[in-house]
Order: sequence, then C-alpha cells, then structure tokens
Amino acid sequence: GDSVTQMEGPVTLSEEAFLTINCTYTATGYPSLFWYVQYPGEGLQLLLKATKADDKGSNKGFEATYRKETTSFHLEKGSVQVSDSAVYFCALGETSGSRLTFGEGTQLTVNP
Amino acid sequence: NAGVTQTPKFRILKIGQSMTLQCAQDMNHNYMYWYRQDPGMGLKLIYYSVGAGITDKGEVPNGYNVSRSTTEDFPLRLELAAPSQTSVYFCASSYSRDNEQFFGPGTRLTVL
Repeated sequence: GDSVTQMEGPVTLSEEAFLTINCTYTATGYPSLFWYVQYPGEGLQLLLKATKADDKGSNKGFEATYRKETTSFHLEKGSVQVSDSAVYFCALGETSGSRLTFGEGTQLTVNP
Repeated sequence: NAGVTQTPKFRILKIGQSMTLQCAQDMNHNYMYWYRQDPGMGLKLIYYSVGAGITDKGEVPNGYNVSRSTTEDFPLRLELAAPSQTSVYFCASSYSRDNEQFFGPGTRLTVL
C-alpha cells in the first residue's frame, strides 16, 4: 500500500538557518503530494502541494518539488523564523480516491 | 465561515463508557474525514464519507462508528471506550477528492 517516510525529528535550528525536511513515498500510480503544518494546539493546515511530477509547490517561503525519479518531496526554506516552529507532515493523496496517507511528522524548533 | 468545528475540545472517559465526537463544516464540502493522532505519530484515518448517506472505513475503524445524515455533520461514535482510544481526534473536510483538506481544532480524549 501507499506509504510516506519522513526524516526523524526533532529538528532544532537557529533563526535564519536553512531548513530541509526529507520526505519519500511509495505509491502506485501518480499521487498528489502535500505538506501540512500543525502549530501548537491547532489542527493541520495545508502549507503547499504538488499534483504531478516536476511540479514545485511554494508558500510562505517554503518550497518542495515533486521528484518522481527519486520518489521524494523534500521541504525547504532558505531562512527560518521563530514563528516557523511547528510540526510538519508530508502526505500523499491516493491516485484513485480521496484519502491522504500521512508521514509521522517532524517537529521543528527555531531558536532566536 | 466557521470552517470545521469540533466539540468537545477535551474529554475524559472511563473504560466502557460511550460518547459521540461532533464535527460540523459550513463550507458545503462533500468529503469528510475522521483521523486520530497518537503522540509522535502521523494521522491515521478512521472513517471517511464522500457525501451524505455514504461512509467507508479507513485504516483504523475498529471500535468506532460514523453516520452522515447531512452534508454538514459527521459525528464519530465510540461505543465501549478503551485505553487504546486515548488520542487526539481530528475531523477534516474537502470539496472534492483532489482538493485541500481543512482540519478542525481537534478533540483530546483520555480513557482511564
């Protein structure tokens, strides 16, 4: 079945550092890929998405490129802020349905 | 729009008790979902619905039941609470299968 593997956390960075959170997937067909963010005490919010190979999703300075050859969708940001501290989830949307499969989440803490 | 709302925010149950977690959305979304989130884990799909009167099992449906009598509401029922059901429960909705899922703020349930 479909699965998503995220890099283990937690990740701690200083403000203005470069961020990469790795995400790889296993799926049949051509799934959509998502990054969701969860701030403390809140539900998940969509951060960005990509629906086909080589698409780049971007939002709030975050980017991720759908790489079919490496089955990856790594999240990057050039300069993180304290306000980016949250849990980040990579997710895969099944090709023939409406369900999402989530990775385990990566806790990011950004220190001033 | 209120988006996706969930009640209650917190609940403590004794083993064997039953309860219903409420979820409502005012965005006229066809698709609705129930997830559980255990500490350090991603979200696991419990049940989902593609429209009023239609529900289907997700990855972890045992011990739960759902109904979808209206487009707006999607309650989750626990009949005989067990400690293994201690978790944070999230409801989500989307307009169609390829659209972003919008999440509620969650219900934190403890079974003692």
